[in-house]
Amino acid sequence: KNEVEQSPQNLTAQEGEFITINCSYSVGISALHWLQQHPGGGIVSLFMLSSGKKKHGRLIATINIQEKHSSLHITASHPRDSAVYICAARLTGNQFYFGTGTSLTVIP
Amino acid sequence: DAGVIQSPRHEVTEMGQEVTLRCKPISGHNSLFWYRQTMMRGLELLIYFNNNVPIDDSGMPEDRFSAKMPNASFSTLKIQPSEPRDSAVYFCASSLTSGRANEQFFGPGTRLTVL
Repeated sequence: KNEVEQSPQNLTAQEGEFITINCSYSVGISALHWLQQHPGGGIVSLFMLSSGKKKHGRLIATINIQEKHSSLHITASHPRDSAVYICAARLTGNQFYFGTGTSLTVIP
Repeated sequence: DAGVIQSPRHEVTEMGQEVTLRCKPISGHNSLFWYRQTMMRGLELLIYFNNNVPIDDSGMPEDRFSAKMPNASFSTLKIQPSEPRDSAVYFCASSLTSGRANEQFFGPGTRLTVL
């Protein structure tokens, strides 16, 4: 069993749709990271959160510590949001467990 | 700021050869991370440094892998001897470790192919 599970693995949406990607983890964490990997391979850190909710533009990340669950939401999705989204659980001491990623394709 | 710089961007080598990957973190950052990404295993943390000192190398796959950080602006990841199963994209990331920080900034990666 993986310490971090993401769902769905693959997601196709029409432009403008509201998108949710889920992440569940089984370990105690100090923070949870959401990463975005573009088709060209570059990785960008979207959010780092340890409680509550964070918002950046059309992206919203939430975390429920008790349920060990986090979600990444994209409002008004756009083709440029097409990427792989990776959830990473950071333990105390900077040890990381990574999800396998969710491949998102937004169709115009 | 130029961001995290990695070199080379692509490396093709033959099995048994030594490979050295290089990373320059963002100036002022005091933590540096080396990751490996493969289709089979996804993203894995290999080792990280804090203030140039290796803190956790439990992710380093075996003795053929070694990493150094001789100063705050440079790190290397060396594979000797390389094997085909080492083929992957290797990312370096840096962050400023403070009370609320730890957001990591990733380099563009080095795509390694071992024939």
